[in-house]
Amino acid sequence: QVQLQQSGPGLVKPSQTLSLTCAISGDSVSSISASWSWIRQSPSRGLEWLGRTYYRSKWNSDYALSVKSRITINPDTSKNQFSLQLNSVTPEDTAIYYCARTSGWFVFDFWGQGTLVTVSS
Amino acid sequence: SYELSQPPSVSVSPGQTTSITCSGDKLGDRYTYWYQQRPGQSPILVIYQDTKRPSGIPERFSGSNSGNTATLTISGTQSVDEADYYCLAWDSSTALYVFGTGTKVTVL
Repeated sequence: QVQLQQSGPGLVKPSQTLSLTCAISGDSVSSISASWSWIRQSPSRGLEWLGRTYYRSKWNSDYALSVKSRITINPDTSKNQFSLQLNSVTPEDTAIYYCARTSGWFVFDFWGQGTLVTVSS
Repeated sequence: SYELSQPPSVSVSPGQTTSITCSGDKLGDRYTYWYQQRPGQSPILVIYQDTKRPSGIPERFSGSNSGNTATLTISGTQSVDEADYYCLAWDSSTALYVFGTGTKVTVL
């Protein structure tokens, strides 16, 4: 059974960097049939896919246009996890952040527990 | 950018059938996915590739997709089905996933 365990701070100051980690058990971040995404949810924006990382003979990433200039998603093969970094945050980035797996045709079949991140001074 | 629209809410009596629509330009040309989210919980995949149910999802959940509209149908709705439901599609032109606006299902 795949499990995704999220960790990271719940409070970030405006203009700073939001950093979260998603530890994977039951699968590999390097799996050639999987991709690993970050998704956030807020009352104003609903569910919003932020981006993904995946390995297909080399590492790749795709990012949502709304955050493309500020986001980085990186794999960490030594710890079998992946991370989210969102730079220059504002209060509009306040949301519950989720990590999720896609495997083959099963899009977002496993999710992390969610992390409420508040952007406030 | 690609957009998916859902009705904000639907109400249904226990045992009845309810349908939730998801509308987008030529949505029938791409696969649609459906997620259930109960309060305080992470979403759960209930339909993939328009019509298929992952293992463990009850048979009362079914899906269809044609033209500009995908539909999630819950037959014999139970109180445990009260939740928010979101559709999802892949926008191939931008290589991005797009979520629908979400529908709150209330079982009266």
